[in-house]
Amino acid sequence: DVKVTQSSRYLVKRTGEKVFLECVQDMDHENMFWYRQDPGLGLRLIYFSYDVKMKEKGDIPEGYSVSREKKERFSLILESASTNQTSMYLCASSPRGQPNTEAFFGQGTRLTVV
Amino acid sequence: AQSVTQPDIHITVSEGASLELRCNYSYGATPYLFWYVQSPGQGLQLLLKYFSGDTLVQGIKGFEAEFKRSQSSFNLRKPSVHWSDAAEYFCAVAPWGGGADGLTFGKGTHLIIQP
Repeated sequence: DVKVTQSSRYLVKRTGEKVFLECVQDMDHENMFWYRQDPGLGLRLIYFSYDVKMKEKGDIPEGYSVSREKKERFSLILESASTNQTSMYLCASSPRGQPNTEAFFGQGTRLTVV
Repeated sequence: AQSVTQPDIHITVSEGASLELRCNYSYGATPYLFWYVQSPGQGLQLLLKYFSGDTLVQGIKGFEAEFKRSQSSFNLRKPSVHWSDAAEYFCAVAPWGGGADGLTFGKGTHLIIQP
């Protein structure tokens, strides 16, 4: 069974902390994504990566960075957490190819910044 | 840039009744279209997808969707809903030609099932 695993289901962090959200996929997918989900706003793309060490900004990259040192792992980094980054974070992966194929999602990490 | 509109934020349906969730997209060419479902506390699960061919697409859990190019719509339907269908439903569009640009999601429709 294909799987995208996010390291934490719930996190509580303090304002100003550096926060790491980890995502691992076991499907050998080239593409990985980080979304944030907020009520009434749906899912918004933060960053994506189509290969190791490659990254591209999505729609809302401000305040975030990412790291992809290995194909299976894609990390989202909040350099200095702020309360407006309290949200549900979803990681996804998909295989490279034409056409664009479905994305597989992790269970999500609910981050609260206090 | 592509966009997706789900006009209904909440929909309430009685158990056993039929369901239609609306989705309209904006894109310059034929898009790839998806419907995802998110149960409470869970990630997103793919219900069905449209790439080309037959405009009526069958998915899991008894769902189907119809692509109508003239209306730029991709509405999700189910003939008889079950209490377990209560969830958040997201329509999404991806650009033609692939790539790693990711999906553009609608804001979601929250489905409530009345007993």
